[in-house]
Amino acid sequence: SQQGEEDPQALSIQEGENATMNCSYKTSINNLQWYRQNSGRGLVHLILIRSNEREKHSGRLRVTLDTSKKSSSLLITASRAADTASYFCATVASGSRLTFGEGTQLTVNP
Amino acid sequence: EAGVTQSPTHLIKTRGQQATLRCSPISGHTSVYWYQQALGLGLQFLLWYDEGEERNRGNFPPRFSGRQFPNYSSELNVNALELEDSALYLCASSSSIGRTDTQYFGPGTRLTVL
Repeated sequence: SQQGEEDPQALSIQEGENATMNCSYKTSINNLQWYRQNSGRGLVHLILIRSNEREKHSGRLRVTLDTSKKSSSLLITASRAADTASYFCATVASGSRLTFGEGTQLTVNP
Repeated sequence: EAGVTQSPTHLIKTRGQQATLRCSPISGHTSVYWYQQALGLGLQFLLWYDEGEERNRGNFPPRFSGRQFPNYSSELNVNALELEDSALYLCASSSSIGRTDTQYFGPGTRLTVL
């Protein structure tokens, strides 16, 4: 079973709008990572946030982490059609294995 | 720098056969991970190899096995294939045993079992 749960499962927005995806998890973690997957292909690493960090930025991406609520959010600003993909959060708790959420399917309409 | 590579891209087998999937990590990475992405089941951890040793194993039956070679490349073997083994198999590599390191993924092998 998946530890993480993404919310929403699907999100459809217009180009230029911001997209926010949320992730919740159940156990203590070392870090949380966000990945993107285009059309059933390989995963592309977007950003890693450690358990002692609260916010991190990378280009148009902003990730927050609230360990007290066991939740994280990914904000994509000024979205583009090329951002259309599935987005997954993944946690690392022990043994280096990634535990993935169910994913959010983002569609950015031109 | 080359990324993680996987072969073959697609693999079609019939039930009961064996499948062998291959992965080459990023140069300098010693850890290789295997994940299964089956329709409706999400991404699930299969195996983790580091320095030639199996370090961790997900909740999969023993017919899923693998190995890591001295050059850190890896093979995933699936014996006695079942229809539900049809999935995208993803390989990832990272640079150390460290629990905080990013995993870099290959493009995957799509296995279809008929």
